[in-house]
Amino acid sequence: GNSVTQMEGPVTLSEEAFLTINCTYTATGYPSLFWYVQYPGEGLQLLLKATKADDKGSNKGFEATYRKETTSFHLEKGSVQVSDSAVYFCALSDRRTGANSKLTFGKGITLSVRP
Amino acid sequence: GAVVSQHPSRVICKSGTSVKIECRSLDFQATTMFWYRQFPKQSLMLMATSNEGSKATYEQGVEKDKFLINHASLTLSTLTVTSAHPEDSSFYICSARDLSRQVNEQYFGPGTRLTVT
Repeated sequence: GNSVTQMEGPVTLSEEAFLTINCTYTATGYPSLFWYVQYPGEGLQLLLKATKADDKGSNKGFEATYRKETTSFHLEKGSVQVSDSAVYFCALSDRRTGANSKLTFGKGITLSVRP
Repeated sequence: GAVVSQHPSRVICKSGTSVKIECRSLDFQATTMFWYRQFPKQSLMLMATSNEGSKATYEQGVEKDKFLINHASLTLSTLTVTSAHPEDSSFYICSARDLSRQVNEQYFGPGTRLTVT
């Protein structure tokens, strides 16, 4: 079955530090890959996505590249801000066009950014 | 675009009562909606997949008689927690898929915090 593995957290960084959050996956076929962010007390927001190998998703200074050879989708940001403090979830969805395709989530990792 | 709302955002109920949570897609049609449960500092657990006009598909271990799901229209799905108990206290999140888009992307509601006393 499908699975997503995220690095263990939490992660605490100083403002303007470089961020990398690792994510690897196991899937049959060619899944779509996502990063979701959850701010305290809120639901999930899509941060970025990639649908095929070598695609790079980017948004709000965050980037992640779909690496089929290493089955990875690591999230990076060159300079984090305090407002980036949140929980980050890596997820995959199989490529079936059917509406019942499910999202498989990683465990999530909490990022705290100090001023 | 692609906004999903949930109501209520917070609810406190007494043990033994039932609570209904609504999930609406505001600016798109969603033939499929998903219901998740999230425990503190944990990931989302898919409870069920809700299809408009048909019975929901529940994940293994989820009691269908306790968590009643109705998806009567293309923009509304409801989750009713029946005979709630303190262990049902959790953060419930719904998501919806916009079939007009090709990518299997789900749009999430803001969540409902249920506390059973």
